[in-house]
Amino acid sequence: DVKVTQSSRYLVKRTGEKVFLECVQDMDHENMFWYRQDPGLGLRLIYFSYDVKMKEKGDIPEGYSVSREKKERFSLILESASTNQTSMYLCASSLNPLLAYADTQYFGPGTRLTVL
Amino acid sequence: EDKVVQSPLSLVVHEGDTVTLNCSYEVTNFRSLLWYKQEKKAPTFLFMLTSSGIEKKSGRLSSILDKKELFSILNITATQTGDSAIYLCAVVITNAGKSTFGDGTTLTVKP
Repeated sequence: DVKVTQSSRYLVKRTGEKVFLECVQDMDHENMFWYRQDPGLGLRLIYFSYDVKMKEKGDIPEGYSVSREKKERFSLILESASTNQTSMYLCASSLNPLLAYADTQYFGPGTRLTVL
Repeated sequence: EDKVVQSPLSLVVHEGDTVTLNCSYEVTNFRSLLWYKQEKKAPTFLFMLTSSGIEKKSGRLSSILDKKELFSILNITATQTGDSAIYLCAVVITNAGKSTFGDGTTLTVKP
């Protein structure tokens, strides 16, 4: 079974702090994604990466950056956390998109971040 | 702008009822449509649809895609309390695998 793990289930930070959210997958997937989920807004894509050191902005990248130095690890960075970044953050991975059946994303358990 | 719209946003039914959840989309580059179920934690995969008119079925759940009218439905028959969850529809919009998600339908099944 694919396993996607996230470094923390719950995190409380103060405004202005730098925050690192880590995601690790163990199935050698090429694609990795970071979403945030807010009530009534569904899942919104922040960034995704289709290869090591490659990244693309999603729909709401402002205030975030990412790092993918190794294939299995994708980090989300909040350079200076703000209260409007309080949310549930979900990481996901999927296979090489060149494979026709590869579109399924496997999600981690989520990190509920509160910024005070 | 790519858009995925799910309806209804929430639904309350009783055990044994049949429900139909809707997902319509307007995207520039359709590759596939996926349904996920989200209980308390992470979304889990239900179905992936790429071709019109071919029903996918898993137990009491089934789904079909209409690429001409740009929508999909997810049917659940003989609902059980364990079906209570948020059901998410996602459309994969690029060959890089990027997806756009709908807002989800929250289904509550009462005993």
